[in-house]
Amino acid sequence: DIQMTQSPSSLSASVGDRVTVTCRAGRSITSYLNWYQQTPGKAPKLLIYSTSSLPSGVPSRFSGSGSGTNFTLTISGLQPEDFATYYCQQTYSTPFTFGRGTRLEIK
Amino acid sequence: VQLVQSGAEVKKPGASVKVSCKASGYTFTSYYIHWVRQAPGQGLEWMGTINPSGGSTTYTQRLQGRVTMTRDTSTATLYMELSSLRSEDTAMYYCARELIPAALYYGMDVWGQGTTVTVSS
Repeated sequence: DIQMTQSPSSLSASVGDRVTVTCRAGRSITSYLNWYQQTPGKAPKLLIYSTSSLPSGVPSRFSGSGSGTNFTLTISGLQPEDFATYYCQQTYSTPFTFGRGTRLEIK
Repeated sequence: VQLVQSGAEVKKPGASVKVSCKASGYTFTSYYIHWVRQAPGQGLEWMGTINPSGGSTTYTQRLQGRVTMTRDTSTATLYMELSSLRSEDTAMYYCARELIPAALYYGMDVWGQGTTVTVSS
């Protein structure tokens, strides 16, 4: 199985801030890296697929980059609704493993 | 486009549970469906995937032998059955649709509302 390591596990930020979450794969996953956002009591929401592509309806303040084993999710200009938990997931090979999550809290 | 799951279940250790996921609003056989679970306060765990077109499946090795994913094309419904339940299987179970038709590598864009499964004696 490919292990996915996210950092930090939690962070505090203010509305309007720019934040970055990192995800590292145990081996190369080329660009098969997705990001999800989950708020309490809700199903996850796909934010970014294939490292840097945004599904329809996802605001442009979300962006992703990386390749191989190192990836980042950046949120530019935090909004109140962005305070949630974020997960990365590799879809390079089964099982499609997730990172353990990064909890983004309001400072 | 939506996925609607069956209701909460309470099971005893050693029993089996079967969760359903009814799809609507799109061509049922065109998109892979994944099953993902989340234990209370924990992260996401990918359980496996099914191709609704031919019924082929891929499961995580961790659950191999205990999990079975099936589909009924006549009712556009997917099923996930987990056997030999143990307390560690207590979780929210989600079905989720692959983003791109006939593909398996682009993430899950439509999710069911989740089904709580509690395993307790």
